[in-house]
Amino acid sequence: GAGVSQSPRYKVAKRGQDVALRCDPISGHVSLFWYQQALGQGPEFLTYFQNEAQLDKSGLPSDRFFAERPEGSVSTLKIQRTQQEDSAVYLCASSLPTGTNEKLFFGSGTQLSVL
Amino acid sequence: QKEVEQNSGPLSVPEGAIASLNCTYSDRVSQSFFWYRQYSGKSPELIMSIYSNGDKEDGRFTAQLNKASQYVSLLIRDSQPSDSATYLCAVASGSARQLTFGSGTQLTVLP
Repeated sequence: GAGVSQSPRYKVAKRGQDVALRCDPISGHVSLFWYQQALGQGPEFLTYFQNEAQLDKSGLPSDRFFAERPEGSVSTLKIQRTQQEDSAVYLCASSLPTGTNEKLFFGSGTQLSVL
Repeated sequence: QKEVEQNSGPLSVPEGAIASLNCTYSDRVSQSFFWYRQYSGKSPELIMSIYSNGDKEDGRFTAQLNKASQYVSLLIRDSQPSDSATYLCAVASGSARQLTFGSGTQLTVLP
């Protein structure tokens, strides 16, 4: 595709529900990142994939958060038993790694509201 | 102390003026530095990257890096109302692939 695609654009969940957020990166991009952006803050790193391998998940805030990218393209971020503090915009970004320089291309994000 | 610090603003400049945005970082092994622009309700968009000390110019934008002072800045010349947005400073350190972002500076260019 032309850009990083995320769905749904908006998600409202009741506290305790499970949610799944989808990211379809730019075709051919090896690296895929998930970030969480709270209102008025910069994006915070959650996890990183290189192809299908999850190389860094140090930013996941709890074991309720799980991400996968089974075939090295589309990725899903799953949040179990959602809490109000999970309310944020979840951004997916992809890139072609060039040495240590990551030029990230972001999707439009999924705005999650937990009631 | 956050790893990447920015003045949150808001910063207001008149149209045609130079807007100066500043960022400091704490990790001395940081290697790559980026400025992203984020319009309200939209995703971040890369506008500048810089990897070496000194200045890098791209159109109306100039990024400046001083690794000794752990300081990176963005100058926007001839500011336009369309430049009104939040500007995010981002840093990549060592072998880490992910970027660490500041909280952003909200810029308003007044017509």
